[in-house]
Amino acid sequence: EVQLVESGGGKVQPGGSLRLSCAASGFTFSDFTMHWVRQAPGKGLEWLSYISASGDIIYYSDSVRGRFDISRDNAENSLFLQMNSLRVEDTGEYYCARDCSGCRRYWGRGTLVTVSS
Amino acid sequence: SSELTQPPSVSVSPGQTARITCSGDVLAKQYVYWYQHKAGRAPVTVIYKDIERPSEMPDRFSGSSSGTTATLTISGVQAEDEADYHCQSTDRSGITWVFGGGTRLTVL
Repeated sequence: EVQLVESGGGKVQPGGSLRLSCAASGFTFSDFTMHWVRQAPGKGLEWLSYISASGDIIYYSDSVRGRFDISRDNAENSLFLQMNSLRVEDTGEYYCARDCSGCRRYWGRGTLVTVSS
Repeated sequence: SSELTQPPSVSVSPGQTARITCSGDVLAKQYVYWYQHKAGRAPVTVIYKDIERPSEMPDRFSGSSSGTTATLTISGVQAEDEADYHCQSTDRSGITWVFGGGTRLTVL
């Protein structure tokens, strides 16, 4: 069974940092590209970042480029999102998702990030 | 534009058919994916590549796409189908994801 479990969320002050993790199981992690997506309270889903299966190709949305850093450890079946210079508007539920162009995509249940003073 | 547009809400009675639309220029060239999202749970793929349904999803879920508009159809809606539904595609790069604003399906 494919499982994605996010962790690392919490409450942080503006300007602070958090490191999110996504533990993958039930599939060959190194075969799949991965994404981070978030949902602010009362808003729709917002794509944040992409990382290729090998980790050598990375993309960011304009809203997080220069502040967030996506990475992965294929040996540990884990995806990460280092978030720096956090802003109040970064508050939301953060999800990791497994990409698949020819099959269903899987998501985790999310981890909540609250940026507030 | 890379934006996708969905109606904020759709309401139907049990047993009726719900249709949720998603429109955007990118849909003319890129596939659409549909996700069902219930509070506190992981989003679940209900349709991928415009019309494909995961084997685990009930056959009352179907998808279609024509030009710049895609439609998720739920036939014979059940109470358990009440959720937010999000459409998703990719921008011209074919890599970065774009989302609609989400549609809240209410089963009356």
